[in-house]
Amino acid sequence: DAGITQSPRHKVTETGTPVTLRCHQTENHRYMYWYRQDPGHGLRLIHYSYGVKDTDKGEVSDGYSVSRSKTEDFLLTLESATSSQTSVYFCAISESGLGELFFGEGSRLTVL
Amino acid sequence: AQSVTQLDSQVPVFEEAPVELRCNYSSSVSVYLFWYVQYPNQGLQLLLKYLSGSTLVKGINGFEAEFNKSQTSFHLRKPSVHISDTAEYFCAVSDFTGGGNKLTFGTGTQLKVEL
Repeated sequence: DAGITQSPRHKVTETGTPVTLRCHQTENHRYMYWYRQDPGHGLRLIHYSYGVKDTDKGEVSDGYSVSRSKTEDFLLTLESATSSQTSVYFCAISESGLGELFFGEGSRLTVL
Repeated sequence: AQSVTQLDSQVPVFEEAPVELRCNYSSSVSVYLFWYVQYPNQGLQLLLKYLSGSTLVKGINGFEAEFNKSQTSFHLRKPSVHISDTAEYFCAVSDFTGGGNKLTFGTGTQLKVEL
């Protein structure tokens, strides 16, 4: 199994507070992704990274920012959390960038 | 823009029966196609992939899928399911952007295998 860990695994926060989710990999893969999973929507891409300090937006990037200062870490930040951002967030990594992804276990975020 | 349609949100099937999970995609360019499986409270795992070559691809756990370019489909099949196959299955399509491929997922099909 690919070495990929997400933290925290569970978080409850209040509307308007900042939240940062961390994805850490030990595989030295170039590509990293953040998805959110919601019932009826499948997985939707928030942001992705194709190298250190190289990131791009996905289809649901509003309200989210990311940073990647080193290969192994990819941070997802919600500057001011809203209830619509209550979701399960998955980090994924890829060596080839072609679509073969290895997923983390997910981070369940609840915004009250 | 690419999109993926999984028409069946739930598929109930009896153990040892065959199953087909349907996936259709739309894209204006050549694509790569994938099926992922998600067991309860876990992340997704790659089941199989089509990148090029033979249109019939085999994956883990006895699953296979056939790429049909004219029908823009990539249906997943298994000739005999087991209780342990109960999970949610996601079809995905990947196409190239400037920073690498973006993977777009369908909304998923819940496969429930019953005794």
